[in-house]
Amino acid sequence: AQTVTQSQPEMSVQEAETVTLSCTYDTSESDYYLFWYKQPPSRQMILVIRQEAYKQQNATENRFSVNFQKAAKSFSLKISDSQLGDAAMYFCAYRSGGGADGLTFGKGTHLIIQP
Amino acid sequence: GAGVSQSPRYKVAKRGQDVALRCDPISGHVSLFWYQQALGQGPEFLTYFQNEAQLDKSGLPSDRFFAERPEGSVSTLKIQRTQQEDSAVYLCASSFGGGGYTFGSGTRLTVV
Repeated sequence: AQTVTQSQPEMSVQEAETVTLSCTYDTSESDYYLFWYKQPPSRQMILVIRQEAYKQQNATENRFSVNFQKAAKSFSLKISDSQLGDAAMYFCAYRSGGGADGLTFGKGTHLIIQP
Repeated sequence: GAGVSQSPRYKVAKRGQDVALRCDPISGHVSLFWYQQALGQGPEFLTYFQNEAQLDKSGLPSDRFFAERPEGSVSTLKIQRTQQEDSAVYLCASSFGGGGYTFGSGTRLTVV
């Protein structure tokens, strides 16, 4: 079974600064997808960024980028120019490449933005 | 609809009561997933439908949990004889395919 580990229960960053959230995972599969989701108090999971394991290039979405290290099974999220609206819970998630398996989530990191 | 709609948003049940949670996915989305999110935890997979077929129910914690999607659109998660450990947020997600999921805002169930 796959596992996803987020070792930082809480992170704090000054507005406009850069912060990196850590995620490691364990799998024996070679084909899979990795995701970062944001969950504000409204509870809706919002996709931040997605990475296909077969792609060597790290995914980027505006101020959000990942550092995907396949051999190390590491998938960290970097948020540049942090904004107050970035404050939320962030979850790392894994999905097998074959079929339509559900997502396996980490326990989350609570991101606090200091004004 | 424009998004995944879940109702009710909040539900308080007395221990032993039966509850039914509704998920209305995005029109045309073939895949539908239910997750349970305990306080301070990440969501955990409960069950998966492709159209009306329940292809995976391995995450349902006990036989008190039952899910259905009879016409391949709206889905209902039913919990019988609720217990305190069932208190959680229940999230629904739908997908057209290809790994893109849209989540609803969940139902927060509190069993007292």
